[in-house]
Amino acid sequence: DAGVIQSPRHEVTEMGQEVTLRCKPISGHNSLFWYRQTMMRGLELLIYFNNNVPIDDSGMPEDRFSAKMPNASFSTLKIQPSEPRDSAVYFCASSLIYSHEQFFGPGTRLTVL
Amino acid sequence: AQKVTQAQTEISVVEKEDVTLDCVYETRDTTYYLFWYKQPPSGELVFLIRRNSFDEQNEISGRYSWNFQKSTSSFNFTITASQVVDSAVYFCALIGSGNTGFQKLVFGTGTRLLVSP
Repeated sequence: DAGVIQSPRHEVTEMGQEVTLRCKPISGHNSLFWYRQTMMRGLELLIYFNNNVPIDDSGMPEDRFSAKMPNASFSTLKIQPSEPRDSAVYFCASSLIYSHEQFFGPGTRLTVL
Repeated sequence: AQKVTQAQTEISVVEKEDVTLDCVYETRDTTYYLFWYKQPPSGELVFLIRRNSFDEQNEISGRYSWNFQKSTSSFNFTITASQVVDSAVYFCALIGSGNTGFQKLVFGTGTRLLVSP
């Protein structure tokens, strides 16, 4: 069975450009989470969805970040415009709703020059 | 609020030594789960173990063992006879029932383990 799929695995872009990260959760899972990992802040939850509805976006750093989940099998995290401080590894995870077990994707390493 | 503290930032050992990674947590939930993840240099998060708050039995899996003590709010991880392949960053994490029902996973800051030959 396929796990959580993230694309791209690596992204290098220049400051000011729009960046879109993609995630396909495990089939049947109805909760999806976006995390960011930086040296300064460690692993932190940015936003999560239940049944495609955003529930808590209190971790989203600022208005430049937005996330959508148009259907049960796809989510995007968009940064516009990107800044060097957005450089990080972004993980997507999925789970059954209210389950304590989240399954992580391989992550997207973003570098903003 | 929930919090996970991994006081050890980095540990260096020589192969075959035993090493213990400490994890202390804070939560007001009576039902919660604790996790350990391994992050090798390749970057992915590898799930190692899950423990629920009602099960304080220690667990052993090969060279890995975990000591869960609610009295001290600790969930420590020991690697016996460490190997170079154990070199990684290890994260302890907590998820509680809370108001949102096991939705917010809180990570510690991680402990980098370096095992040298």
